[in-house]
Amino acid sequence: AQSVTQPDIHITVSEGASLELRCNYSYGATPYLFWYVQSPGQGLQLLLKYFSGDTLVQGIKGFEAEFKRSQSSFNLRKPSVHWSDAAEYFCAVGLQTGANNLFFGTGTRLTVIP
Amino acid sequence: DTEVTQTPKHLVMGMTNKKSLKCEQHMGHRAMYWYKQKAKKPPELMFVYSYEKLSINESVPSRFSPECPNSSLLNLHLHALQPEDSALYLCASSWASGGSKDTQYFGPGTRLTVL
Repeated sequence: AQSVTQPDIHITVSEGASLELRCNYSYGATPYLFWYVQSPGQGLQLLLKYFSGDTLVQGIKGFEAEFKRSQSSFNLRKPSVHWSDAAEYFCAVGLQTGANNLFFGTGTRLTVIP
Repeated sequence: DTEVTQTPKHLVMGMTNKKSLKCEQHMGHRAMYWYKQKAKKPPELMFVYSYEKLSINESVPSRFSPECPNSSLLNLHLHALQPEDSALYLCASSWASGGSKDTQYFGPGTRLTVL
């Protein structure tokens, strides 16, 4: 069965520091991979997605993620964090066939300190 | 434009009330979804409509009744809810089911409180 693991429940970084949020998945084939961000009380905003091709994908707000098949990982990175990046980040796996839904990780809460 | 709108933004209801949540998208998407999200948890899928037909019901209690009147509109009718149903209800839409077009775009959610 497919699953998504975000091992870090909460991360605190200083403004201007670099950021990496981890995501590992378990799935028999190459999945579709997504990162969403959610500010408190808001909906989910798509940051970026990977379907195929170049394993380094660029997203909005200066984020990027790298798909590593050998590690079953899709980690999210940003070179310099801004205070407005404080939010909950969800990694999600979409299946290529069958039910059209997403499997979400448990989320990583990002706190940014001045 | 990747906007999904939801109304109302907040809803407070008693356990005997009947209310409805509304979701709308004008992106031409043919799949629409309802999710329930409790605090500090990821969204949990409730229902999926594909081409205006219910394709997935994740064993949701019958006090939640979805409706898809047309391809742009999705409703969630609520009746006799319990306090534990209090949550953020998210709507999402995507082009179709499965494949490379299945990127889901989410609305801002309706914060539901059941007293």
